[in-house]
Formats: sequence, C-alpha cells, structure tokens
Amino acid sequence: GQQLNQSPQSMFIQEGEDVSMNCTSSSIFNTWLWYKQDPGEGPVLLIALYKAGELTSNGRLTAQFGITRKDSFLNISASIPSDVGIYFCAGITGNQFYFGTGTSLTVIP
Amino acid sequence: NAGVTQTPKFQVLKTGQSMTLQCAQDMNHEYMSWYRQDPGMGLRLIHYSVGAGITDQGEVPNGYNVSRSTTEDFPLRLLSAAPSQTSVYFCASKKGTEAFFGQGTRLTVV
Repeated sequence: GQQLNQSPQSMFIQEGEDVSMNCTSSSIFNTWLWYKQDPGEGPVLLIALYKAGELTSNGRLTAQFGITRKDSFLNISASIPSDVGIYFCAGITGNQFYFGTGTSLTVIP
Repeated sequence: NAGVTQTPKFQVLKTGQSMTLQCAQDMNHEYMSWYRQDPGMGLRLIHYSVGAGITDQGEVPNGYNVSRSTTEDFPLRLLSAAPSQTSVYFCASKKGTEAFFGQGTRLTVV
C-alpha cells in the first residue's frame, strides 16, 4: 500500500507554544486531509486540501498542500490543553484513503 | 444524528474464537471501510465496500471477512481470532473526500 511518513511521532509542548507536523509520501495525492483523534474516539476531520500549494486555515490550525503533491504540513498556533490527541494526515488517490502513522501531541499546562 | 455506530466498544476473545464486529451508518453513504489501528502504524485498511453487494480487500485483509448486504451495514468477521489481531478497529463511511469514523472497537485476543 501507499506509505505516508508522518513526523514527529510524538510531541510534548508547553501551553501557548506553536506546533508543526508534516507528512510525506513517495506517491502523489490529489487530496490531503488532516484528522484529529481524541482519546477513546474515532478520528475527526480538521482540514481538507484539494490543490497543490493550497494554504487553508481553520481557527488556530493552518495546513498546506505541498507543491509536489507528495507532502503536507499542519501548524497549530498558541496550543491549548484540549489540542491533546493524535493527529493523522491522509492522502486520497482514486477512492482510497491512506493514513499517516500519526503524531501524538501532549500539551503541558 | 447517529452517524457511524460500532458495536461492541470492547471485546476480549480467546485464540481461535470467532466474532463479528458490527458497523452501521445512517447517512446513506455508498463507501464503507474497516481499519485497524496499532501503535506506531497509523490506520491500516482491512476491507472496503463501494456499495451493497460489492466488497474488496485493503492492505491487511488476512484473517478477516466482510459482507455488504445493505447500504447501512458493513460487519467485519474474525473467523479464528489470533493474538496478532489485538487492535483497535474503526469503521468509516465516506462521502466525497470526507470520511466519518465510528468510535472504535478495542479487541483483545488472549
């Protein structure tokens, strides 16, 4: 299957700090998505990106679709305790979703 | 709005036992899928279905069966559980580019 490499694997940050994570692939995707999974829950969509170079914001979250279509970035500004969870990138090709390995975020108050 | 409903939420099986994980969605989505989530591995696709009567294998299908007799339901069957199938299982339905996930089933095989 498609391999999506997500980094970092985990992050421990102080409340108020900014966070950056990224996802890279050896394959081109037409759509990139970012999901957040709260403990004990299923992933929930945060941001969808549909065009190479696209930069999209959702509140304190900003994501970019890489120019090469093989990568994507997610930034969280001014982190708060409820940002804790696992963040997944996903690329779509055809009818299939391919997920990254996840970034576990811990926010220390 | 129920969305995607998975049952049970937790299950413990003995090696060799069989069971069915249930998944139902009320959004009339044609596409449904099953994933397993393991530490450091992300979400890996087990089986998927693009509509009633149509199923196909994903990345890690061995040891699992699926069927899709209705648009709403997409059960996942473990024929003979093995410890390697200890995982968290997520069902998802998809419309366009958005996937909606159930709350997950945490399965332990001892």
